[in-house]
Amino acid sequence: SQQGEEDPQALSIQEGENATMNCSYKTSINNLQWYRQNSGRGLVHLILIRSNEREKHSGRLRVTLDTSKKSSSLLITASRAADTASYFCATDAMSGNTPLVFGKGTRLSVIA
Amino acid sequence: EAQVTQNPRYLITVTGKKLTVTCSQNMNHEYMSWYRQDPGLGLRQIYYSMNVEVTDKGDVPEGYKVSRKEKRNFPLILESPSPNQTSLYFCASSLRENYGYTFGSGTRLTVV
Repeated sequence: SQQGEEDPQALSIQEGENATMNCSYKTSINNLQWYRQNSGRGLVHLILIRSNEREKHSGRLRVTLDTSKKSSSLLITASRAADTASYFCATDAMSGNTPLVFGKGTRLSVIA
Repeated sequence: EAQVTQNPRYLITVTGKKLTVTCSQNMNHEYMSWYRQDPGLGLRQIYYSMNVEVTDKGDVPEGYKVSRKEKRNFPLILESPSPNQTSLYFCASSLRENYGYTFGSGTRLTVV
């Protein structure tokens, strides 16, 4: 099955800096979603971007989608220590009844 | 409160002793899914269900069973658990295709 791959695997920044995470995928999609997971907890849906959209914002989050490159990026601006978590992209394939497939995640550490 | 409820949160069991992890959602969602999360492997889909009485295998269905007799419930059954099924399990639901998922808090299963 197709799978998003996040890059980098781990990212460490200072509080107040911006954090950028990337996701690449393999086949055509209906939409791409980003989720956040605090250690050992359930995933929380952050944002969904559809295949016909190029950019989307939600608070301090900005997501871009480039379907020609099969890639997406998640930007967290003015990061806070509370943003420390793992971030996953998930893709919803265009073909067939295949629900979300998740990547392995980016572990973000925001140092106060 | 709209939520996905999994039980139990923690479970230690012995090899071969049948167990069921329950999952219930109160949002009238059509889609439900089970994932397992293991270090270095990310989230892998076990089974999913598009609607009542409709279930399908995900990427790692071996050793698991599910049922969807009612819209709100999607139990995960391990008929004969083995140590390689020690993992963190998540149930998730979605209103329908192309929507974000709501995750449960997770079930940490240890099979000895």
